[in-house]
Amino acid sequence: EAGVTQFPSHSVIEKGQTVTLRCDPISGHDNLYWYRRVMGKEIKFLLHFVKESKQDESGMPNNRFLAERTGGTYSTLKVQPAELEDSGVYFCASSQGDRGVANEKLFFGSGTQLSVL
Amino acid sequence: AQSVTQLDSQVPVFEEAPVELRCNYSSSVSVYLFWYVQYPNQGLQLLLKYLSGSTLVKGINGFEAEFNKSQTSFHLRKPSVHISDTAEYFCAVKKGWNQGGKLIFGQGTELSVKP
Repeated sequence: EAGVTQFPSHSVIEKGQTVTLRCDPISGHDNLYWYRRVMGKEIKFLLHFVKESKQDESGMPNNRFLAERTGGTYSTLKVQPAELEDSGVYFCASSQGDRGVANEKLFFGSGTQLSVL
Repeated sequence: AQSVTQLDSQVPVFEEAPVELRCNYSSSVSVYLFWYVQYPNQGLQLLLKYLSGSTLVKGINGFEAEFNKSQTSFHLRKPSVHISDTAEYFCAVKKGWNQGGKLIFGQGTELSVKP
């Protein structure tokens, strides 16, 4: 079974440019999460999709970030325009539908390292 | 605000030595507690979790953790580490049963096991 796939694995862009990160969750997983780790600090929640709907986007830093999940399958996270402070590792995770806290298991991708110069 | 503090950013140990990675959390409500591990160039993997019941939780790869409510701690331990345990370890909490996969992570602890 394929795991959570993220690409690109690395992206280097200049301040002011646009970057789009992609996440392919495990097939059949309704829940998709984006997290970000900046400068070796803690990993922070960005948002949560249930199928194609945004369930919780309380962690999105500002309106330069736009997340979509087309048809409830893969998701993209666009940063436009990118700023220096957006540099970090962006993680995606997925899980099956509502199975209760005891049984939910998150599967993480290996992340996209974004460097804004 | 809820937070998770991992008290050591780096922990170097020799192979076959015991190790403890410390984690403290702050919360005014009951939480669910997790430890994740990230090996180089891989995604995070769940090591173990505490939901309720016995305060000593056993996970994969010989790791265990103990939930201490009075000290609001969830320290991770292994009695004898291997070179292959070299990785970054993250403590995380989830506030409430209805939070799905929304986790609050600590800053991470890099465990370096030397021969």
